Amino acid sequence: DQQVKQNSPSLSVQEGRISILNCDYTNSMFDYFLWYKKYPAEGPTFLISISSIKDKNEDGRFTVFLNKSAKHLSLHIVPSQPGDSAVYFCAARGGTYKYIFGTGTRLKVLA
Amino acid sequence: SAVISQKPSRDICQRGTSLTIQCQVDSQVTMMFWYRQQPGQSLTLIATANQGSEATYESGFVIDKFPISRPNLTFSTLTVSNMSPEDSSIYLCSVGRLETNYGYTFGSGTRLTVV
Repeated sequence: DQQVKQNSPSLSVQEGRISILNCDYTNSMFDYFLWYKKYPAEGPTFLISISSIKDKNEDGRFTVFLNKSAKHLSLHIVPSQPGDSAVYFCAARGGTYKYIFGTGTRLKVLA
Repeated sequence: SAVISQKPSRDICQRGTSLTIQCQVDSQVTMMFWYRQQPGQSLTLIATANQGSEATYESGFVIDKFPISRPNLTFSTLTVSNMSPEDSSIYLCSVGRLETNYGYTFGSGTRLTVV
């Protein structure tokens, strides 16, 4: 039972354009969400977060949107850069400290 | 944020043997976790490493297969015991901090291949 889903395993975007990565979840009790970026041979690194009491959080080129009624969050990267090419994971907090991760989306930004 | 050193970074092991993975953090942390990422899968929590007491395992993971030690607030080990090819995965140590809503900082991972 996959509680956090990233239905697009891969995404290709031209440099300078917007990248939109999507994540769906099933548990309405999730109260905090994270996005991580992972390069090959490295551990995931924290990118941006959002609390369930908000619907948007912005940090530079990265914006996360949360639609609680649809149980959906998305990560927007504008403008996309070749260095953004990585695997992106969303994660939802299912307890005091436990996060459940999606399967990841591989983003490729084309120069 | 905390800096995590994890080793080995990779290993190829014979089935039936055991491998111990070490995780060293540059500062004291309350929460330390071990994750597994199987090929093409998401990150799955194996257990929470508790300082001075037995680890707390998630459903599907048992102490006999994945014994964990945490002798202090900066160090932990995970052993993968009696390995089979199905144990081939990336194993990741991570720490959580209250001030980041327990958002995790991850080590670089150990890529394990069992042959």
